[in-house]
Amino acid sequence: GAVVSQHPSRVICKSGTSVKIECRSLDFQATTMFWYRQFPKQSLMLMATSNEGSKATYEQGVEKDKFLINHASLTLSTLTVASAHPEDSSFYICSAREIGWKAFEQYFGPGTRLTVT
Amino acid sequence: GQQLNQSPQSMFIQEGEDVSMNCTSSSIFNTWLWYKQDPGEGPVLLIALYKAGELTSNGRLTAQFGITRKDSFLNISASIPSDVGIYFCAARNTNAGKSTFGDGTTLTVKP
Repeated sequence: GAVVSQHPSRVICKSGTSVKIECRSLDFQATTMFWYRQFPKQSLMLMATSNEGSKATYEQGVEKDKFLINHASLTLSTLTVASAHPEDSSFYICSAREIGWKAFEQYFGPGTRLTVT
Repeated sequence: GQQLNQSPQSMFIQEGEDVSMNCTSSSIFNTWLWYKQDPGEGPVLLIALYKAGELTSNGRLTAQFGITRKDSFLNISASIPSDVGIYFCAARNTNAGKSTFGDGTTLTVKP
């Protein structure tokens, strides 16, 4: 149980294009999804917290117009990197929190490697 | 903001050896978590600790929630090559709150 998928797993795009990454909770409902960014050999940097049906809460320093998050249902959240540039190249990981009597833990997706050329 | 200090930053050990890593903070937390991340993958939850003093095992892994609620440790016994990866501690205060992550401990196991 508690499986989170991400699509695509890897994307290469040209500078200036927009990229959409999907995050799905496959076998549970998640009121909250989190989006992280990770640089090589570094820890997870929380970008935003996404609640189903409401606007995402962005961490300080993260541009909400650049990283557009939509959490349309209890099983799907999307991150769109608008007008991507090489400095946006990174490993993006989503995580979902399960609704339940005890299950407050975050389960992570496998990540999406974005390379902007 | 709240920070977790995870140590050591990296470890190089021989297969079969035991491993110990820890996480400390100047802040009190109500939940401590340990994750493992394989290269190119997302982190996987290993152990969750909800009570100060709690000692929990998951196979060869054992983790404890410090009695002061400001620290936690993770032990791996009889390491094997597939234990290689980055281990992250995380902690939070409320069930609905976001977790704070440590910087990770990179474990290398030599056969």
